[in-house]
Amino acid sequence: GQNIDQPTEMTATEGAIVQINCTYQTSGFNGLFWYQQHAGEAPTFLSYNVLDGLEEKGRFSSFLSRSKGYSYLLLKELQMKDSASYLCAVSYTNDYKLSFGAGTTVTVRA
Amino acid sequence: GAVVSQHPSRVICKSGTSVKIECRSLDFQATTMFWYRQFPKKSLMLMATSNEGSKATYEQGVEKDKFLINHASLTLSTLTVTSAHPEDSSFYICSARDRNRNYEQYFGPGTRLTVT
Repeated sequence: GQNIDQPTEMTATEGAIVQINCTYQTSGFNGLFWYQQHAGEAPTFLSYNVLDGLEEKGRFSSFLSRSKGYSYLLLKELQMKDSASYLCAVSYTNDYKLSFGAGTTVTVRA
Repeated sequence: GAVVSQHPSRVICKSGTSVKIECRSLDFQATTMFWYRQFPKKSLMLMATSNEGSKATYEQGVEKDKFLINHASLTLSTLTVTSAHPEDSSFYICSARDRNRNYEQYFGPGTRLTVT
């Protein structure tokens, strides 16, 4: 819902950097989340952005531009275990409901 | 960290029967829980918002009589798929919001439902 767009698939080499972009409708925006989901498992929380700028957490960073309706998740020093689906989710209301993008499947190759 | 459990993890049932899925927050109180459905290689689709002590709020297109939600306590919400049909086969995931942490949602491990 809410036209949350992210690429379907990305492939990168172990040790490299990958950037996953996410665009969304800006009207009513309340916050943006990134989740990691391995096949058959629950999504796990990676980051939350509500203000413009870059949030860094170890090898993972997330960026937000509210005016552009744009975010990216940056994965550095890729490891094989980072192979997963990465979900961009946006909160549009104050009731904490989330609208998810379709997810980006990242494959890390040796 | 906050843990959310779901039970069962997998269930196979026959058409016409009902299936109950439990979602529990193990180490925190969750005033709000959410139920999602996920098809293979697709994103999570919010089905309903479950609030402790009140009726669930369903998203457009989700039949409330088909998917019964009960949030009896601050740590337990249940989803009952009534009169299940093969098209109800899916991965059902719940999430819970910690009342003491403003924005994070913690997801359960999901329940794989197969209706034969």
